Amino acid sequence: LAKTTQPISMDSYEGQEVNITCSHNNIATNDYITWYQQFPSQGPRFIIQGYKTKVTNEVASLFIPADRKSSTLSLPRVSLSDTAVYYCLVAPDNDYKLSFGAGTTVTVRA
Amino acid sequence: EAQVTQNPRYLITVTGKKLTVTCSQNMNHEYMSWYRQDPGLGLRQIYYSMNVEVTDKGDVPEGYKVSRKEKRNFPLILESPSPNQTSLYFCASSLRPGQGQPQHFGDGTRLSIL
Repeated sequence: LAKTTQPISMDSYEGQEVNITCSHNNIATNDYITWYQQFPSQGPRFIIQGYKTKVTNEVASLFIPADRKSSTLSLPRVSLSDTAVYYCLVAPDNDYKLSFGAGTTVTVRA
Repeated sequence: EAQVTQNPRYLITVTGKKLTVTCSQNMNHEYMSWYRQDPGLGLRQIYYSMNVEVTDKGDVPEGYKVSRKEKRNFPLILESPSPNQTSLYFCASSLRPGQGQPQHFGDGTRLSIL
């Protein structure tokens, strides 16, 4: 089971780009990398998922280097409403036992 | 609307009084899971279920029971709650984890065991 490591917290200002890097050194060949966002008093919400290279959707981009030992979630031009906890999850293909790390608390200031 | 519904949302109870937190999903998902969330510890998996009548332990199963008699329901049972089980609990479901199948989470149940 791949263990993930993320920074505990990050601060930013409105309009800036926020990049959160997650380390997963023992990622397996068939593992997918998934990021979730959680606001206070709500359950986590899926943001983006990738296997390798780069994935982009209307909310974020996910960069995964060739060795897949890390991944970076990029939030372009953040606003106050992007203040949340962001979790990186490495999901195995053949096991249903999932492990979320402590997440990264992103605080966006005006 | 596709959703995962947990009940109750809030509960204050006393040590030793059995309680059940219900979880229901309307997406015909095979996989369901329970997590607890504590400050600084992130989300820790308690139990998960791959399908009806198939359940297994997560990272922190002690003091909890689950059952999966129907595909849509996955209740979490605390037979004899203790104060260290005071926490925020989330139920989640997905077609299956990995391979492009993200989890859908409920809004959480805040339990306080006095």
